[in-house]
Parts: sequence; structure tokens; C-alpha cells
Amino acid sequence: KNEVEQSPQNLTAQEGEFITINCSYSVGISALHWLQQHPGGGIVSLFMLSSGKKKHGRLIATINIQEKHSSLHITASHPRDSAVYICAVRGYDMRFGAGTRLTVKP
Amino acid sequence: NAGVTQTPKFQVLKTGQSMTLQCAQDMNHEYMSWYRQDPGMGLRLIHYSVGAGITDQGEVPNGYNVSRSTTEDFPLRLLSAAPSQTSVYFCASSYNGEPGNTIYFGEGSWLTVV
Repeated sequence: KNEVEQSPQNLTAQEGEFITINCSYSVGISALHWLQQHPGGGIVSLFMLSSGKKKHGRLIATINIQEKHSSLHITASHPRDSAVYICAVRGYDMRFGAGTRLTVKP
Repeated sequence: NAGVTQTPKFQVLKTGQSMTLQCAQDMNHEYMSWYRQDPGMGLRLIHYSVGAGITDQGEVPNGYNVSRSTTEDFPLRLLSAAPSQTSVYFCASSYNGEPGNTIYFGEGSWLTVV
């Protein structure tokens, strides 16, 4: 069993829909990162969380340390949000989820 | 500000050949790392460095060497390429190894070993 599990693996949405991507982990962590990988391959950091909630534009990330769970929400989704979203946890070292492929259709 | 620069972007190797993937960052970051990304799997750490002259193994180090002679550069060497090393490779850096630092990734290097 992977130490970092993401769900769903694939997600297709219509433009404007509210999106939720989930991340569960089984190891003790110091921080959790949400990353976005564009179709061309580049990876950018969206959020770093150690507790609570963070918001940046239409993106919201939450973490529940006790339940070892984090969610990434996208409000009013847009086709440009189409990407792979990756959850990564930092404990002793960095462990990554396999990613959630999001496609937003116009 | 270039960030993290990886070269080459694409490479095809024959089994047994050696090559070096280059990685450079211009942010004066102490921590640099190499990952490989395979279909259906998360990124996996190959090697990392916490500063010039210091390197250590990650989760999947076999078949790869690294060195860190300067703060800026962290090349990854494939000693004798094998088809199992066909993958997408990412170099990353952060200010130091602390968990809360933002991670910056290169654009990736697509390697095929035939």
C-alpha cells in the first residue's frame, strides 16, 4: 500500500463545477505539499500546509492532521485548470502520491 | 530569474551507454534533489544534496551517481543505462531541507533507453 493515496485517479468536470481532490497518508509528517503538473510536464508548487487551511485565488487546501487527510478544492473550475495534481508529504523524506488527472471541459 | 534548469529535455540512449542529466539553479538553494516519475507511480527520490560537497541516497539510487561540487549544479549520471531507467526525471531545489520550504522543479527530462 502506498504511503500517500490520492483519489480520484482521474476526474472530468464541466467548466464552473466545484472540484475536490483527496489525499490520505499513513506516515507522520511535518508538512504537506500540493503540486500542479501541466501537460508539458512542468511541476509547480501550489500550497504547503502544516495545519488548517490555505486559500489562493480559486484554490483552497485543507489538512486534518489527526485524520491524516488533506483536500484540494477548486471553485468555479476552468479548462486551464486541467492538469495533474500531486499530493506530497514531508516526513523523514518526501513521499508523493501518484497524482489526480483533472480535465475540465468547456 | 531562470529557477531550475534541466538539460537535455529529451534523450534516447542505447542499453549500456552512459550519460549525464544536468541540473542548475540560480536561487542559491542549499537543497537539491533528483526524482524519477513513472506511469501510475508517484515521484520517487533518487539522490539528494543538502549543500555543496554533500550528497545522499534516496529511495531508488541504484544505477545513478551524483555529485555537488558547487551550490548551483547537481548533475545526475547514469553509469550504464538499462531499459528500466526509461522514465521522466525531475530535478528540484528548495532553500534548505526544511519541510516548510517551497519546492521548485525543473521542466523534466524524458529519457528512453532502448
